[in-house]
Amino acid sequence: ETGVTQSPTHLIKTRGQQVTLRCSSQSGHNTVSWYQQALGQGPQFIFQYYREEENGRGNFPPRFSGLQFPNYSSELNVNALELDDSALYLCASSLEANRGRNGYTFGSGTRLTVV
Amino acid sequence: GENVEQHPSTLSVQEGDSAVIKCTYSDSASNYFPWYKQELGKGPQLIIDIRSNVGEKKDQRIAVTLNKTAKHFSLHITETQPEDSAVYFCAASIRGADGLTFGKGTHLIIQP
Repeated sequence: ETGVTQSPTHLIKTRGQQVTLRCSSQSGHNTVSWYQQALGQGPQFIFQYYREEENGRGNFPPRFSGLQFPNYSSELNVNALELDDSALYLCASSLEANRGRNGYTFGSGTRLTVV
Repeated sequence: GENVEQHPSTLSVQEGDSAVIKCTYSDSASNYFPWYKQELGKGPQLIIDIRSNVGEKKDQRIAVTLNKTAKHFSLHITETQPEDSAVYFCAASIRGADGLTFGKGTHLIIQP
């Protein structure tokens, strides 16, 4: 059983640029969530994708968007990067049949630095 | 929305002693409470979870208790070992699509 894999592991971008982060969900999982974790803080929920559609969203602006593909992998896109977007971005997969309540499996994250 | 408070922010215990981390939540509709362990450079790893229809759950050295009336839940680690050193996060959820609301974390240090 493979876990959640994210790419790239580290990324440096300039303010105003756009970035795409990628996630492959754990085998058998059909739901993907994205979280932003600032240094020294707990992860904050960005959004969740199920059956290729966003079905839940946290308090993040529209410049944070995503996609889920038929194989359940996912992308997180951030436009017009700001310095405060510097954080660890975590992808988590779950099985929606259990409404995500049998636990989320997290990847190791992408460390994004905006300069 | 939901708000989760976690205490303490840092906890140092002697190897072999017990550690207790406490969390409170604000929304009485929350019904799922997981605990995650995060080691340096890694993503959070689920160590135990509890649902609102259960008051206590135990898995070897780890236990979680839930008091729905007071809206708080706690993580108990007994016979601590050096590999227990990490940051621990509590979280709460109302429904899967709303995601998890995390506490700010507890840095657990096991002193040899």
